[in-house]
Amino acid sequence: KQEVTQIPAALSVPEGENLVLNCSFTDSAIYNLQWFRQDPGKGLTSLLLIQSSQREQTSGRLNASLDKSSGRSTLYIAASQPGDSATYLCAVSLYGNKLVFGAGTILRVKS
Amino acid sequence: DGGITQSPKYLFRKEGQNVTLSCEQNLNHDAMYWYRQDPGQGLRLIYYSQIVNDFQKGDIAEGYSVSREKKESFPLTVTSAQKNPTAFYLCASRSTGVGTEAFFGQGTRLTVV
Repeated sequence: KQEVTQIPAALSVPEGENLVLNCSFTDSAIYNLQWFRQDPGKGLTSLLLIQSSQREQTSGRLNASLDKSSGRSTLYIAASQPGDSATYLCAVSLYGNKLVFGAGTILRVKS
Repeated sequence: DGGITQSPKYLFRKEGQNVTLSCEQNLNHDAMYWYRQDPGQGLRLIYYSQIVNDFQKGDIAEGYSVSREKKESFPLTVTSAQKNPTAFYLCASRSTGVGTEAFFGQGTRLTVV
């Protein structure tokens, strides 16, 4: 059974700092990996989608990498801002169109 | 605007009552999903559907039921058999095919009173 783990569970950083969020998965047989952002009481907003054949994707200050063979992905946020404060979730896409989620990392960026 | 609409945003259920959560999408996506989110936990899959008139149980389907009579709609019923229904419920959709992106609605918060 595929399991997805996110480390750390919570992170608090000062504004302007670069940071890395980690996501690991137990079975490398995935189609893609997706990073989401969730604000309190809201739905999920897709940030980046990395196909299994890709190594990384970039969008603005965000960069996500994927090492499928080792079962790891990282989300790099450059020059963090208070508006980046949210919960970040990763999800892997499996055969049969299933999505399996990690528990998320709660990020707080202090001004 | 294209997207996924969940309603209502807040829902209160009395003990022993069935309630239905609505999920509608106009993205022309074949696959739709229902997830449950509890505080401090990730999303757990309740049911998913890859095509009209077909759906599969997820990891925590007991006490829930769904239907998929139209491509655009995937309602979730929380039955009285679900003993701990208080949670945040999220609906998602995506195109079928390898490696497609998933999109989510804004969620429904269900509380037992």
